[in-house]
Amino acid sequence: DIQMTQSPSSLSASVADRVTITCRASQTISFYLNWYQQKPGKAPELLIYAASVLRRGVPSRFSGSGSGTDFTLTITSLQPEDSATYFCQQTLNSPHTFGQGTKVEFK
Amino acid sequence: QVRLQESGPGLVKPSETLSLTCTVSGGSISGYYWTWIRQAAGGGLEWIGRIYSSGSTNYNPSLRSRGTMSLDTSKNRFSLKLTSMTVADTAVYYCARVGESSTWELDSWGQGALVTVSS
Repeated sequence: DIQMTQSPSSLSASVADRVTITCRASQTISFYLNWYQQKPGKAPELLIYAASVLRRGVPSRFSGSGSGTDFTLTITSLQPEDSATYFCQQTLNSPHTFGQGTKVEFK
Repeated sequence: QVRLQESGPGLVKPSETLSLTCTVSGGSISGYYWTWIRQAAGGGLEWIGRIYSSGSTNYNPSLRSRGTMSLDTSKNRFSLKLTSMTVADTAVYYCARVGESSTWELDSWGQGALVTVSS
């Protein structure tokens, strides 16, 4: 299986901060990388697919980049509603494995 | 907008079989891949497997052949059976739809069904 490692596991930031979450794959996955946001008690929601394509309706402060093994999710100006856990997922090979998640909290 | 709803027992005894159903509304089950994901306490997401509307399936080897997916296009729903349940299978189970791009993203999710394995 392809292992996905996210860092950091958690972070604390302030409103309007720029936040960066990284995701590393144990082998190259090209652009087969998706990002999800999950709020407590809710199902995950798709934010970005194909490493950098913003899903329709997702605020433009979210962006994704990377290819191969190293990927980044960036929130350019953190908003209170962005408090959540973020997961990456590789979909090059089955099983489609997830990172362990990054919890974003406010200071 | 497509909506998914999981249904099934909240409590299963060890060694028994779990049966979950995901009912799809607002869109057809045909022409799409559908998946099951689970999330144990502690937060990690595990991909269980997927089924295409033709019935072809792909499972996570970690299930050790305990999982079976099926679908009923006439009722616009698909199902998961997981045999020989253990406490390690206790989790929230989500059904989700695979989107239309080429990167297997999960663009619609059910709200999740908590399944507890306990005697």
